[in-house]
Amino acid sequence: DGGITQSPKYLFRKEGQNVTLSCEQNLNHDAMYWYRQDPGQGLRLIYYSQIVNDFQKGDIAEGYSVSREKKESFPLTVTSAQKNPTAFYLCASSPGTTYGYTFGSGTRLTVV
Amino acid sequence: DAKTTQPPSMDCAEGRAANLPCNHSTISGNEYVYWYRQIHSQGPQYIIHGLKNNETNEMASLIITEDRKSSTLILPHATLRDTAVYYCIVRSLNTGTASKLTFGTGTRLQVTL
Repeated sequence: DGGITQSPKYLFRKEGQNVTLSCEQNLNHDAMYWYRQDPGQGLRLIYYSQIVNDFQKGDIAEGYSVSREKKESFPLTVTSAQKNPTAFYLCASSPGTTYGYTFGSGTRLTVV
Repeated sequence: DAKTTQPPSMDCAEGRAANLPCNHSTISGNEYVYWYRQIHSQGPQYIIHGLKNNETNEMASLIITEDRKSSTLILPHATLRDTAVYYCIVRSLNTGTASKLTFGTGTRLQVTL
């Protein structure tokens, strides 16, 4: 079945450590996105990529980094510069501008 | 992209129609209205989208007013599994601009017995 896979579902890290969240899709979608969600809040865009080897900052990119070396993969690194990294992280993809997004099931990151 | 305004919460009895309103008074001519929903601790799920005509699919109907300044998502026979946060999003489809979706805080729909 086609879809988006985010792993792991739950992730715990110590403060000051970098951590990379995985996002893989087999939908052959060109565009991929990373969102952050805090309790009781909507989703906020971190980074997005419309084609391989290209990505753009979203609304809250500080403290995060991404790469898009393959069409299928869009990993997100939460660096030690992110002041409040504990959140629910969602990855999404879409085939193009006119289409809706398909979301993964999310990774819940807790920094202790 | 235009901003949207939704009520923070709504209740609906199971089996009845759930009508979720959304105001988007600053919408421009090339902007679509999208609806997503998010069940607790899951990724949002696409429901429906439209430009100016009413739309219907197996999940819901979307009614857009003639002036396009507001819309209503209709779940014709709500079930307990429809309990979720519903997001109304307006999105520009200009080529050359990013196809970003901007999520607000949505409407929390509680379906009850």
